[in-house]
Amino acid sequence: GENVEQHPSTLSVQEGDSAVIKCTYSDSASNYFPWYKQELGKRPQLIIDIRSNVGEKKDQRIAVTLNKTAKHFSLHITETQPEDSAVYFCAASTAQGGSEKLVFGKGTKLTVNP
Amino acid sequence: GAVVSQHPSRVICKSGTSVKIECRSLDFQATTMFWYRQFPKQSLMLMATSNEGSKATYEQGVEKDKFLINHASLTLSTLTVTSAHPEDSSFYICSAIWGRETQYFGPGTRLLVL
Repeated sequence: GENVEQHPSTLSVQEGDSAVIKCTYSDSASNYFPWYKQELGKRPQLIIDIRSNVGEKKDQRIAVTLNKTAKHFSLHITETQPEDSAVYFCAASTAQGGSEKLVFGKGTKLTVNP
Repeated sequence: GAVVSQHPSRVICKSGTSVKIECRSLDFQATTMFWYRQFPKQSLMLMATSNEGSKATYEQGVEKDKFLINHASLTLSTLTVTSAHPEDSSFYICSAIWGRETQYFGPGTRLLVL
């Protein structure tokens, strides 16, 4: 089955700097890659996603890149702010009879220091 | 749009009792919902896929007789933890698919079994 590796497990940056989180996946059939942000004790919230027919997608300060050949994708956050501090999870979808089951990475705890 | 609710948000029960958790899609119909368990500082682990009108699909290692799932309508899935024990204490989160593959999460239910 699908396996998703995520690095780093923790990341500390200064406010205004950029943050990059990287993920690799094993199943070449995976074609949907969302990123979720989870604050302590709260639900994961979708922040951006990318499908396999696209190499890059940007939404304001957040961007995701996908390299299907190498089977890795990355989250880029520019001009980080303290409110970006949270745990970020990458995921890859494995189709299951028409239902897109997600396999998650282990998460990256991002701390943005003021 | 794409709001998912969960009830209760927190429950404390005695060992041996059963606990029911509800997951509702508030403004859309969801033929597929997912149930996850999340231990502190860990990632989301998929327990089962809940399909409206049919039996749930459980992940390897998840006891279907212990974690009963019922997806009786297009907006409601329930998870019942039967004969709960302290090791079942965890954060249980559901999600529902909106559109083709995007999963939106409920706020989670924190279960504590004494």
